[in-house]
This record gives sequence, structure tokens and C-alpha cells, in this order.
Amino acid sequence: EAQVTQNPRYLITVTGKKLTVTCSQNMNHEYMSWYRQDPGLGLRQIYYSMNVEVTDKGDVPEGYKVSRKEKRNFPLILESPSPNQTSLYFCASSSVRDRGLETQYFGPGTRLLVL
Amino acid sequence: EDKVVQSPLSLVVHEGDTVTLNCSYEVTNFRSLLWYKQEKKAPTFLFMLTSSGIEKKSGRLSSILDKKELFSILNITATQTGDSAVYLCTTAPIREQGGKLIFGQGTELSVKP
Repeated sequence: EAQVTQNPRYLITVTGKKLTVTCSQNMNHEYMSWYRQDPGLGLRQIYYSMNVEVTDKGDVPEGYKVSRKEKRNFPLILESPSPNQTSLYFCASSSVRDRGLETQYFGPGTRLLVL
Repeated sequence: EDKVVQSPLSLVVHEGDTVTLNCSYEVTNFRSLLWYKQEKKAPTFLFMLTSSGIEKKSGRLSSILDKKELFSILNITATQTGDSAVYLCTTAPIREQGGKLIFGQGTELSVKP
């Protein structure tokens, strides 16, 4: 089954304790992206990757890191989480055709609470 | 700065009503405009619009893009309680512009029995 998986699905942590949220897709998609969703703000893009070893900033990259060492995986790293990073996080992947991105497939989401 | 604005932000209707959701954009050079439906989970794809004036339909839902006036609408006819969700629109860039997507704030639709 074609899917995007994220782990963990729920996480409560404390300020400053490094954490990683994993994202994996099995569709051989070139493009992967991370979003955060906060009430009234819609989805905001954190980082994206057009292919292996190629990453770029979205609208809200501060406080986050990513890496793309393999095509299927795109982990999101919070080196020193702060309470303002409490949010719902989605990973997504997409094929990239000649003209650009196709539709995105979203993971189930990770709800993060930073105390 | 590129932006996508959706209106209304929230909407309450009764079953059987018809609704129109709006998505206006100030984005230079994009490949497609996408609509997603989000219930209490991850967004799911509804429509991809690349050409102006061509209506896409799926059952009771339809959508159209106007590249001259810079907006798209999503219509839902004969609404049902299962249509209750947040509807998101976003623009996807052309390949040369990379992979930055711009989402609107979403429209929260509530359909009452």
C-alpha cells in the first residue's frame, strides 16, 4: 500500500531536549516536505527536499533541521525544542514530473507538545 | 511576497445547502492550484487545476481556476454532514522554482443535519 508514515504520532517533551520525527514514503517520490499546522494559520512549510541530498527552507525553518540521505526518508530534527514549536506536524511526498510537483500524499501527522 | 488567501475562514450550513469556497492568490508563476479536504487527520487530495476556465468535477464537488482574476472556487452542492472539514488550497510551483508551496489558512466548513 502506497503510504507516508511518521513516527511518533504523539510526543510530549520538555524544552531543550533534542528530538527527531521520522518520515518515510514507499512511493519512490523525489519530493518530500514538512509542514506544521496551527489553529487559524493553515499549513506552513518548514523544509522541503527535491531529491536526495537536496534540501531547502520553507516559510518557517527556524528551530528545525532536516536531512535527506536516502530517497525514502526525510527526518525532522528539533535540536532544542521550545514551547512555540508545539504543533501538529505533517510530512508529505510527491512525484516531480517535467513541469513540476504533482499532488502530495500526506502522512498521518505527529502531535507535539513541548513543555 | 507570495500569498494565498481563503474565504470565508469558517462557514456553517445545513444539509442540502450549496456552498462556495474561495481561494485568491498573489503568486507569480505556479504550475497548479490544489484543493485538499482535511477532516480530523491528514489532508486528502480533491482537485488539481492547471488551466484557467476548465471545471473539474467529482460527484457533488467541482472547482475552477481563473488565472486572469487570480482566484479559484470550490463548490459543494447538496451538502452532507460528511462534508464537514477544513478545505485547504495551495499553489504548487513550476519545476524551475523548486518546491515551495504556499497554503491558504483554510476554510472550516460545518454542515448541520
